[in-house]
Amino acid sequence: EIVLTQSPGTLSLSPGERATLSCRASQSITSGYLAWYQQRPGQPPRIVIFDASNRATGIPARFSASGSGTDFTLTISSLEPEDYGVYYCQQYHRSNTFGGGTRVE
Amino acid sequence: QVKLVESGGGLVRPGGSLKLSCRGSGFTFSDYYLSWVRQAPGKRPEWLAYTNAGGEVQVYADSVKGRFTVSRDNANKLFFLEMNDLEVGDTAVYHCARNDGSLHHWGRGTLVTVSS
Repeated sequence: EIVLTQSPGTLSLSPGERATLSCRASQSITSGYLAWYQQRPGQPPRIVIFDASNRATGIPARFSASGSGTDFTLTISSLEPEDYGVYYCQQYHRSNTFGGGTRVE
Repeated sequence: QVKLVESGGGLVRPGGSLKLSCRGSGFTFSDYYLSWVRQAPGKRPEWLAYTNAGGEVQVYADSVKGRFTVSRDNANKLFFLEMNDLEVGDTAVYHCARNDGSLHHWGRGTLVTVSS
């Protein structure tokens, strides 16, 4: 099983600040099949990024992502109030697993 | 727009069974793989299983293999999760999701509580 480790556990930032979230895989995700999701309280996860660096439909350009192999990063260039929540990475290279999440508060 | 609505959750005793349903709309249901994903309170999502577009292939997470079964009825745009021998640890919100590789569309989920 590919284990995904996210860091930091919590990011405490103000609106307008830059957020950088990390996701590290226990094995190389050679296909680039990694996604990022945002989850707000009481809602299902919402996809933000798929295939490591592609923004999903309706996701604003302040969200960007990069990475390959075992190290992936999600960046929010300037936080808006609606960006707060928990972010999960997910790999679908070999079966499906989720990381433990980073809370942006 | 794409909509997925789950139903069938509730309170069940340990060792019991439950069958969840997911109704899809706003897309060509029979063209897409579908997954079930659950999330226990305060925990990360856990992918459980998927079925291919025609329903001939099912793939399961090791944690539920042998206890959970997925199926689909494309004519009625329904996707099912049958759960047997339920354990307290199966308590979670269960979501269906359209599987495009990544999970681009999710239902709001149905709560399953396993308790004596």
